Amino acid sequence: GAGVSQSPSNKVTEKGKDVELRCDPISGHTALYWYRQSLGQGLEFLIYFQGNSAPDKSGLPSDRFSAERTGGSVSTLTIQRTQQEDSAVYLCASSLSPSSRAQHFGDGTRLSIL
Amino acid sequence: GENVEQHPSTLSVQEGDSAVIKCTYSDSASNYFPWYKQELGKGPQLIIDIRSNVGEKKDQRIAVTLNKTAKHFSLHITETQPEDSAVYFCAASNYNQGGKLIFGQGTELSVKP
Repeated sequence: GAGVSQSPSNKVTEKGKDVELRCDPISGHTALYWYRQSLGQGLEFLIYFQGNSAPDKSGLPSDRFSAERTGGSVSTLTIQRTQQEDSAVYLCASSLSPSSRAQHFGDGTRLSIL
Repeated sequence: GENVEQHPSTLSVQEGDSAVIKCTYSDSASNYFPWYKQELGKGPQLIIDIRSNVGEKKDQRIAVTLNKTAKHFSLHITETQPEDSAVYFCAASNYNQGGKLIFGQGTELSVKP
């Protein structure tokens, strides 16, 4: 069975450019989470979707970060006007529902800002 | 908000020995505590989890214990093997509030053959 799929696996871009990161959750999983993993900050929560709604956006670091989810499936995390401190691995996880608890992660997108 | 502390940051054991990693959390409302194993270049893999109404859970060589009063939980790996070498993360969440995971800082486990 397919797990959580993220693309691209690696992205290198210049400072100031916009980037889009994609997450395909496990089929049937209604809850979707974005996390960021960096050397200095560890693993930190960004945003959570239940269906197409985002009840918790508390982890988004600035208004340059946004995310959407369509059709209760695919999610896109967009970073506008990228900065060097945005360099990190962006991880997506999904779960059957928030109350089902177990979150399954993709392998992430490694983002490097030059 | 919730804060999770994890110790030690690195752990080296001989093959066949046991390994123990400890975490403490701050928010008494947290009710779900998973453990993840992360290998280089991969995403975190869920290896075991425990809910707040359970004190201990075991799955083959892996066990987790939870002390709600003291707000700490531990991962125990017995009969360690070289393939257990990885970074391990503990996390805490409140699944009644969306279930976002708050992670510990990670433990790099090295099992020497």
